[in-house]
Amino acid sequence: DTGVSQDPRHKITKRGQNVTFRCDPISEHNRLYWYRQTLGQGPEFLTYFQNEAQLEKSRLLSDRFSAERPKGSFSTLEIQRTEQGDSAMYLCASSLESPAGAWETQYFGPGTRLLVL
Amino acid sequence: SQKIEQNSEALNIQEGKTATLTCNYTNYSPAYLQWYRQDPGRGPVFLLLIRENEKEKRKERLKVTFDTTLKQSLFHITASQPADSATYLCALRENNNNDMRFGAGTRLTVKP
Repeated sequence: DTGVSQDPRHKITKRGQNVTFRCDPISEHNRLYWYRQTLGQGPEFLTYFQNEAQLEKSRLLSDRFSAERPKGSFSTLEIQRTEQGDSAMYLCASSLESPAGAWETQYFGPGTRLLVL
Repeated sequence: SQKIEQNSEALNIQEGKTATLTCNYTNYSPAYLQWYRQDPGRGPVFLLLIRENEKEKRKERLKVTFDTTLKQSLFHITASQPADSATYLCALRENNNNDMRFGAGTRLTVKP
């Protein structure tokens, strides 16, 4: 396992359609994060899983967004009824919780670039 | 309001010089701060982490400082090379908070 992978790398969809993205983290990592990044900005936190439990969701994550990590391994992020404002790069990151719990390094995937027409 | 500001959108320097990037934060109490590199169309890559009780960290040609009084971190690349050209992001994390907060990044261009 060489790193975090995301699929697809690019997605073009029409407004109103649903899209689903997949993230495969580094295999031994128990934490998984989703971020959104728009041009010229840094990544914005969306949600976070520890194993299969979704522990935190940003206020950026509207009701149209849902994320799952059913077996504590891969995760999916679904956007329903896409809007043009959803166009962005969606990044996934994984990490291994430090025994001390004090700090961790997140390893990012290559991202999925979404364009909503 | 909370803010993370990186000194400029773009920084151009000559090969061999030292690049210095700034990250200032407002209304945060970071437990640690990280610097990432991001190339176009790719995800960020972790470079260095510095904790709140540390003043300086080094890794090869990279150096990070952290001043909690000034609420500032500086990121230095010495003997810069064209291959160092990328966007550099600072990110911080507070105690009892699970999300990393990122600055908008500084795009560094090293000219030969």
